[in-house]
Amino acid sequence: SQQGEEDPQALSIQEGENATMNCSYKTSINNLQWYRQNSGRGLVHLILIRSNEREKHSGRLRVTLDTSKKSSSLLITASRAADTASYFCATDGSRGGGADGLTFGKGTHLIIQP
Amino acid sequence: NAGVTQTPKFQVLKTGQSMTLQCAQDMNHEYMSWYRQDPGMGLRLIHYSVGAGITDQGEVPNGYNVSRSTTEDFPLRLLSAAPSQTSVYFCASTARRVGEKLFFGSGTQLSVL
Repeated sequence: SQQGEEDPQALSIQEGENATMNCSYKTSINNLQWYRQNSGRGLVHLILIRSNEREKHSGRLRVTLDTSKKSSSLLITASRAADTASYFCATDGSRGGGADGLTFGKGTHLIIQP
Repeated sequence: NAGVTQTPKFQVLKTGQSMTLQCAQDMNHEYMSWYRQDPGMGLRLIHYSVGAGITDQGEVPNGYNVSRSTTEDFPLRLLSAAPSQTSVYFCASTARRVGEKLFFGSGTQLSVL
């Protein structure tokens, strides 16, 4: 069963705009991660935020975590065509994390229009 | 630095055939796992291993076997392929059990006719 659920399922914006996608989860977690998947490729880790953190930055990425609402958001600022991809949140609470394993949501498909 | 390597990239099987999907990592990671990705379903864990000689079932293990004889390799076996196993399969590895990012292979696209 899915622990994390991303919203929206699909998002199309103009290049240069900011993109925000959300993730909601059901059970308590130790950490939450975001991954990117380009078409036909494997997932690439973007950022990890621990349950005692509220916000984290990495380049043009900003992730927030609200454990009281069991939700997280990923903001991509100044979007570029190369940001076109699917984005997944993954949580470790249901089984302990790591190899045994992260639980992934269904993803948000982001399209950046030139 | 190769990271996680999966072979083959594409495979077509007939119902009832068997095959092995190969996965190797060169990062000396103890923890490895197999996921399948289906449209609209996200990634689901099939089997995982926390070290050589130790494997366990994930969310959707039926129809698949794994073994872990070395730290580097974690093959996934389909004993008797079924159309329901048509999917994209990803192998992943990580250095720690909790709180560490996964490194993914590039995937194997499998079609079972």
